[in-house]
Amino acid sequence: EPEVTQTPSHQVTQMGQEVILRCVPISNHLYFYWYRQILGQKVEFLVSFYNNEISEKSEIFDDQFSVERPDGSNFTLKIRSTKLEDSAMYFCASRTIAAQQFFGPGTRLTVL
Amino acid sequence: DQQVKQNSPSLSVQEGRISILNCDYTNSMFDYFLWYKKYPAEGPTFLISISSIKDKNEDGRFTVFLNKSAKHLSLHIVPSQPGDSAVYFCAVQGAQKLVFGQGTRLTINP
Repeated sequence: EPEVTQTPSHQVTQMGQEVILRCVPISNHLYFYWYRQILGQKVEFLVSFYNNEISEKSEIFDDQFSVERPDGSNFTLKIRSTKLEDSAMYFCASRTIAAQQFFGPGTRLTVL
Repeated sequence: DQQVKQNSPSLSVQEGRISILNCDYTNSMFDYFLWYKKYPAEGPTFLISISSIKDKNEDGRFTVFLNKSAKHLSLHIVPSQPGDSAVYFCAVQGAQKLVFGQGTRLTINP
């Protein structure tokens, strides 16, 4: 069964450093997403991406964040200058035209 | 931003009995609702959904009920099994995104 994959599973970085989180969505999916979950809190939407552009973003997704689909398979989230409060689980998701989103296993980002 | 609320952070149910998880939402314009299940160190897994034109949807042991007038949905699991122990999130479909509740940790006791 096809699934969304994410790498790395755990990323540790120093405050102020850039990180890139990688995702491979399900191959025939058209809509791509990033969500995050800070420990003990709800899963929060960051950004949606369709037809090679951002279709919606949340207030969290400020200028420090960017997304890219550099080729036909990868979907990346970049944080330019990480802050302590960026520590969270980051989930990638994708879907077809149906509403149901399929989530990857997540990347745990720890900012020291 | 409390558009979707799950008021019970945890629920404990005996194996074989019915588990009922509840969710309230605030915006009557929402028209598609989903339940996800999450194990530790994994991403949310889609369980079942319902559109606003229905009031019930069933898939095996899982049934979702929607009460639009009360802006309330519930997930029934019967019979509950030990493998059902997980965190359950309800979510509503916005224009592009899913808006999640805080989750309910379900524990099934043998």
